[in-house]
Amino acid sequence: ETGVTQSPTHLIKTRGQQVTLRCSSQSGHNTVSWYQQALGQGPQFIFQYYREEENGRGNFPPRFSGLQFPNYSSELNVNALELDDSALYLCASSPGSPATSNYGYTFGSGTRLTVV
Amino acid sequence: AQKVTQAQTEISVVEKEDVTLDCVYETRDTTYYLFWYKQPPSGELVFLIRRNSFDEQNEISGRYSWNFQKSTSSFNFTITASQVVDSAVYFCALPVWNRDDKIIFGKGTRLHILP
Repeated sequence: ETGVTQSPTHLIKTRGQQVTLRCSSQSGHNTVSWYQQALGQGPQFIFQYYREEENGRGNFPPRFSGLQFPNYSSELNVNALELDDSALYLCASSPGSPATSNYGYTFGSGTRLTVV
Repeated sequence: AQKVTQAQTEISVVEKEDVTLDCVYETRDTTYYLFWYKQPPSGELVFLIRRNSFDEQNEISGRYSWNFQKSTSSFNFTITASQVVDSAVYFCALPVWNRDDKIIFGKGTRLHILP
């Protein structure tokens, strides 16, 4: 059973650019959540996708958007990058929803995004 | 408010010492869960334990133990006979599923185990 895979592992972008981060969920998992972890902070919830629909969103502006595909993999897109977007972006998958109480999450190792 | 506070930013102990990581939480829910995660340098969050609010029995698993006290809203985590491999950032977390299905994390405690 493979875990959660994220790509790329590291990325450097220029302010104002757009970026796409990818996540392959664990086999059998249909729920994917994205978290942003700034340096020295705990992860912050961005949004969740369940069966290809957005299923909750944290306090992030619309330039953060996502997709979930029929195979349950997911993308996080960030437009008009700002310096404060520099962070570790973590993807987590779960076999159902609500994930937090009933099933828990499996986290990937993250994509470290640096905006210069 | 839903909130998790980890007052200890960084702790250093010598190998084989015991160490306790503190966690205080706030929630408006009457039934809830609490988690502890470990984040090694590689970045992934490793799930350690889930406890529910109606089971205050404390638990021991190998070198790890947890002390959950609902009266003080605390959920502390102890490593006995620490090892260098325990060095990591540890997060206490509160799952919320009433509106959004998400986890609220504390800021984490960075634990250094010195050889």
